[in-house]
Amino acid sequence: EVQLVESGGGLIQPGGSLRLSCTASGFTVSANYMNWVRQAPGKGLEWVSIFYSGGATYYADSVRGRFTISRDSSKNTLYLHMNSLRAEDTAVYYCARESVAGPDGEYYYMDVWGKGTTVTVSS
Amino acid sequence: DIQMTQSPSSLSASVGDRVTITCRASQSINNYLNWYQQKPGKAPNLLIYAASSLQSGVPSRFSGSGSGTDFTLTISSLQPEDFATYYCQHCYGTPPGTFGQGTKVEVK
Repeated sequence: EVQLVESGGGLIQPGGSLRLSCTASGFTVSANYMNWVRQAPGKGLEWVSIFYSGGATYYADSVRGRFTISRDSSKNTLYLHMNSLRAEDTAVYYCARESVAGPDGEYYYMDVWGKGTTVTVSS
Repeated sequence: DIQMTQSPSSLSASVGDRVTITCRASQSINNYLNWYQQKPGKAPNLLIYAASSLQSGVPSRFSGSGSGTDFTLTISSLQPEDFATYYCQHCYGTPPGTFGQGTKVEVK
């Protein structure tokens, strides 16, 4: 069964650090495009970061310089290293696989999502 | 950056109603548009990609249309399990695109 399971969330003080994990089963993390998407309480979805299968990474402006995405092929796991955390980083963090479709592979969509892990930044 | 604007932000409907949700992009995105459904406390679920392609396993009462800047998600006959929040997202270019602010479909 294709599945993603996030872990590592919790309560952290402003300025602190946290590492989120996302372990995949049924497919290979390193062969796919993998995203982190977050949702603040009562708010909409916000894309955070992506790790492309070829190794390129991108970040939303709101987290660039503070968050780092990485992966461990031996563990089939995606990570999000979060530093200098702020109250506005409080959210449920989802990891999601991005798949490709179309004759030229031009369509991208997130077709497998984890259940999410909650990060609360508060003193 | 391309902005995605959904309308309405919420709507009330009854089982059996035809429901239409609109998503507008701040510039042309051809048909690089996805739709997701999210129920409270759950992860989003992909419904439509490439503006009108139905994801495997999604009921045929869901359909998408549009190209350029204006897109529509239609539920032909609303079912009890369809009360949820719906998000559009563009996939024009790299990296993944922004989501719309969401449209909550509530019981009338």
